[in-house]
Formats: sequence, structure tokens, C-alpha cells
Amino acid sequence: EAGVAQSPRYKIIEKRQSVAFWCNPISGHATLYWYQQILGQGPKLLIQFQNNGVVDDSQLPKDRFSAERLKGVDSTLKIQPAKLEDSAVYLCASSLDGKGEKLFFGSGTQLSVL
Amino acid sequence: AQSVTQLGSHVSVSEGALVLLRCNYSSSVPPYLFWYVQYPNQGLQLLLKYTTGATLVKGINGFEAEFKKSETSFHLTKPSAHMSDAAEYFCAVMGAQKLVFGQGTRLTINP
Repeated sequence: EAGVAQSPRYKIIEKRQSVAFWCNPISGHATLYWYQQILGQGPKLLIQFQNNGVVDDSQLPKDRFSAERLKGVDSTLKIQPAKLEDSAVYLCASSLDGKGEKLFFGSGTQLSVL
Repeated sequence: AQSVTQLGSHVSVSEGALVLLRCNYSSSVPPYLFWYVQYPNQGLQLLLKYTTGATLVKGINGFEAEFKKSETSFHLTKPSAHMSDAAEYFCAVMGAQKLVFGQGTRLTINP
């Protein structure tokens, strides 16, 4: 089966610019997650969707980050404006039922903010 | 809130030697515990998980982990390291239906 697809693979921007990441989960997976992985740290959950509704966005910096999952399938994560500390790998994951027992991860988007 | 602490950000072993990666958890309820592996330039992949039942859990690629409630530990082991095991390993605990990851341990295999 096809895995979780993410694009772009790499992105370099200057601070204060905007950027968007795209994720297409595994077909049939109801739950979609966006994680931020800063170099040397474990992934941190930014937002969790169940179908097209938000389950948890408690750690999403809402003044600059936004995410949507229209139609309950693919999702976009946007940062506007970007800061230097946003440099990280942004991982998308999906799971079948939202119970968190097995997540399937994409390869991630590596963002560098200069 | 649930959390995990991985002891040692970097572990280096010789090929054929025992691999031991340490993880301690904090949880106010019976935990669900996981180990994920991340190979270079790839996403995370589930190695094994503990939910309920047998405390010794076997995973893929010859890895196993033992849940020890008395020690609040969930250490990952493999009897004989292979060069292909070189990767970043993350311990995680599930709380409120979301995974909380440790900071990771980079495993290096020496020939």
C-alpha cells in the first residue's frame, strides 16, 4: 500500500516569509497528525485531526501556524511569518482509528529559515 | 501528564554486540509504550509496542523490550547488533490518545 506522502522534501526560506507543507495520508486513515522535530529532539505534536475536525491543537503556535484538512483527506500546514526557531523537520503521520497505537509517518519536510 | 526520558543521546556498539537503549516513563495511568526507529532521511517506523498482557514484547528486526512497572522502564534490546541497525531510536508513551516522544538515542554500529 502507498505510504504517507509529503511535499516538498526540503524548503529554504528567509525569516518573515510564509511557507506551506502538504500531506496525503494513507487511504482510509481517519486520523492525521502534524509533528515538529527540531534537530536533536523528539517529535512534538502540533495538531491532530480526526477526519476534518481538530482533536488537539494545544501545542500549535496559532499566531503563526495554521493547518487544515478539508474533506478529511489531505492536509496543509502553513507558517506565516516564519521565525528562525521554526527550522525543523515537519512530519505528517496518519493512523486508522485515532487511538494512537500505530502511526505511519511520512518522510517529512525539512525547513530551514535563514 | 505522561512523559518519557531516554538515557543517553548517543550509544555506540560493535557489530555483533548487545544493544541496550534505555527508556524510563512517567504516567499516572497504565501506560501504552512504544519504540520507533528513524533511518536517515526517512520517517519514523514502529518497532514494537506494549499495551497490555505479556511484559516482554518482540518487535521487528530482532528487537525486543520489557515493560517493568516497578522500575518504570521500557528498555530496548537486541542480542547482536548489525550494521543496518544504525539509526535514531525514539521511545514514546501514549497519553490522552496522543504520542509523547522522548528526545531520541542515536545508535552507531562500529565494524
